[in-house]
Amino acid sequence: GNSVTQMEGPVTLSEEAFLTINCTYTATGYPSLFWYVQYPGEGLQLLLKATKADDKGSNKGFEATYRKETTSFHLEKGSVQVSDSAVYFCALSGRTGGGNKLTFGTGTQLKVEL
Amino acid sequence: KAGVTQTPRYLIKTRGQQVTLSCSPISGHRSVSWYQQTPGQGLQFLFEYFSETQRNKGNFPGRFSGRQFSNSRSEMNVSTLELGDSALYLCASSLAAENIQYFGAGTRLSVL
Repeated sequence: GNSVTQMEGPVTLSEEAFLTINCTYTATGYPSLFWYVQYPGEGLQLLLKATKADDKGSNKGFEATYRKETTSFHLEKGSVQVSDSAVYFCALSGRTGGGNKLTFGTGTQLKVEL
Repeated sequence: KAGVTQTPRYLIKTRGQQVTLSCSPISGHRSVSWYQQTPGQGLQFLFEYFSETQRNKGNFPGRFSGRQFSNSRSEMNVSTLELGDSALYLCASSLAAENIQYFGAGTRLSVL
């Protein structure tokens, strides 16, 4: 079945540091890949997506490239801010049986300090 | 455009009771999915409804059920509550033609 593996947290960075959160996946076919972010006490917000190999999703300074050869979708940001502190989830959608089921990684907590 | 609305935001129940959670999708969205989030198991898919039909189901016991109405609003029901059902329950909606899911703020259920 489908699965997503992302790096363990928490990750603690200083403001303006470079961020990488690793994500690899296992899936049949050609899944769509997503990064969602969850702020304390809230639901999930879509951060970015990619639907085919070599697509680059980007939003709010975050980027991730769909790498089929390494089955990866690593999240990067060049300069993090305190407001980026949240939990980040990598997910895939495999269109199982015609439906839209998301399979999530375990989440990576990011804490950005001044 | 209003987002996905879940009610209530918080619930406290005791073991053995049943509970119903509600989800109103984004206007025009016909697919509604439900997920359970716990510290131990993370985010797990419960089921998906499309045009009032369950289209996909996760690996949860029959105590977890759902339905969707003709206006695409959805409810999920948990019967005979157990302590382990304490979780954040998230609802997500999407258009029929794409698989981007938009999430509500969730209902936090505590079972005592």
